[in-house]
Amino acid sequence: GEDVEQSLFLSVREGDSSVINCTYTDSSSTYLYWYKQEPGAGLQLLTYIFSNMDMKQDQRLTVLLNKKDKHLSLRIADTQTGDSAIYFCALILTGGGNKLTFGTGTQLKVEL
Amino acid sequence: EAGVTQFPSHSVIEKGQTVTLRCDPISGHDNLYWYRRVMGKEIKFLLHFVKESKQDESGMPNNRFLAERTGGTYSTLKVQPAELEDSGVYFCASSPRGGYEQFFGPGTRLTVL
Repeated sequence: GEDVEQSLFLSVREGDSSVINCTYTDSSSTYLYWYKQEPGAGLQLLTYIFSNMDMKQDQRLTVLLNKKDKHLSLRIADTQTGDSAIYFCALILTGGGNKLTFGTGTQLKVEL
Repeated sequence: EAGVTQFPSHSVIEKGQTVTLRCDPISGHDNLYWYRRVMGKEIKFLLHFVKESKQDESGMPNNRFLAERTGGTYSTLKVQPAELEDSGVYFCASSPRGGYEQFFGPGTRLTVL
C-alpha cells in the first residue's frame, strides 16, 4: 500500500518560517492536501495542490511539490502561536477512488 | 452554511457493547466518507457513500462495523460488538458531487474499556 511519511515533531519560534515535509511512495497521486488539526477539533482543510503543479501560494502558506522526489512540503511564513497544531498531508491516488491516504501527522509547536 | 457535524463527540463503552455514531454531512453533498484514527496510527479510510450507495468499503476492518446512509442524507456507523482495538477517533467527511475537497467533522472519540 501507499506509504506517506512525515516527521513527528517540529518546533519553531514565533515569527520564523515553518516547513513541514511529507514524502510518499506512489507516484500516481492526483491531488495532494494539507490538513490542520487543532487540539480537540476536527480536520481543517488548509490548502491543496494538483499533481500537475509545482507550487501553490495562499497568503502565508506555500505548498511545494517535487514529483520526481515524491516530496510535498508546506511552508508557513511568519509562524504564530495559533499555528500550533498537528498538520497532516493527504493524497488521492489515481484509480484509488476518492479516498484520502494520510500521513502520520506532524506536531508543530510554536514557541515565544 | 453549517459544516459536517458528528454525534456524539465522545463515547465510552465496555467491550462487547454496541455503539452507533452519526454523521450529518454538509447539505447537498452527495459524497460522505468515514475515516478513523486509532491511537498513535495514521488516519485510515473506512468507506465512501455516494448518496445512499456504498461506493467503496474497502477500508472497513471487519463485519462488526456496519455503515448506513438511508435516504442519502445522514449516515450512521455501528460497531457491534465493540472490541478494545476499536478505540480511536472516528471522522466523517463530505464533498459535493465532482468535488475534490473533503470537509471533515470534529470527530467522535470512541473509548472501549
